[in-house]
Amino acid sequence: EDQVTQSPEALRLQEGESSSLNCSYTVSGLRGLFWYRQDPGKGPEFLFTLYSAGEEKEKERLKATLTKKESFLHITAPKPEDSATYLCASPLEVLPPSAKAAGNKLTFGGGTRVLVKP
Amino acid sequence: SAVISQKPSRDICQRGTSLTIQCQVDSQVTMMFWYRQQPGQSLTLIATANQGSEATYESGFVIDKFPISRPNLTFSTLTVSNMSPEDSSIYLCSLRASGSTDTQYFGPGTRLTVL
Repeated sequence: EDQVTQSPEALRLQEGESSSLNCSYTVSGLRGLFWYRQDPGKGPEFLFTLYSAGEEKEKERLKATLTKKESFLHITAPKPEDSATYLCASPLEVLPPSAKAAGNKLTFGGGTRVLVKP
Repeated sequence: SAVISQKPSRDICQRGTSLTIQCQVDSQVTMMFWYRQQPGQSLTLIATANQGSEATYESGFVIDKFPISRPNLTFSTLTVSNMSPEDSSIYLCSLRASGSTDTQYFGPGTRLTVL
């Protein structure tokens, strides 16, 4: 059965203390990986999509990387406003970005709650 | 990206009643999805809603409990029927971006509390 697992469940950081979140997935082949940020009481906000091992994407203090088995979300010099739950997800079916048809349902990991203290 | 709105944003309901949640998108999309997020949990897909066809439900979710309508390419509704306290969750609609990407974008969610 395809699974997406995130660790740690919770992370407490001091402002400026860099860290990494892990998302591992067990699927029959390399799948695309999505990262979302979710603030309390709100819907998930899209951050990144990664398709290929070795791919990296950055947005402000966040950088997502992908290997064949897992993805990391690196938070560099975090600020209190980076406090949120970070979710990763993988579609059970995904086609290369060049294809017109694309994957469907997303399987989500349990999320990592990040608290950045000033 | 498309703008997604949901109504209501939150509600408190009595057990045994039903609530219909609306999801409106500001552009036409083919694929829309409904998710549930129970307290302290991650997201679980309820069903996929495509315009012009019956919704496809995931294991553990049935049409009698969660009927879905998709009358056009910008609108969908999810009804939570005969509610019990176990239905207390955040319900989220999402859409798959058009084009070649798999990216899904989410609405703000509807927080439902059943007493």
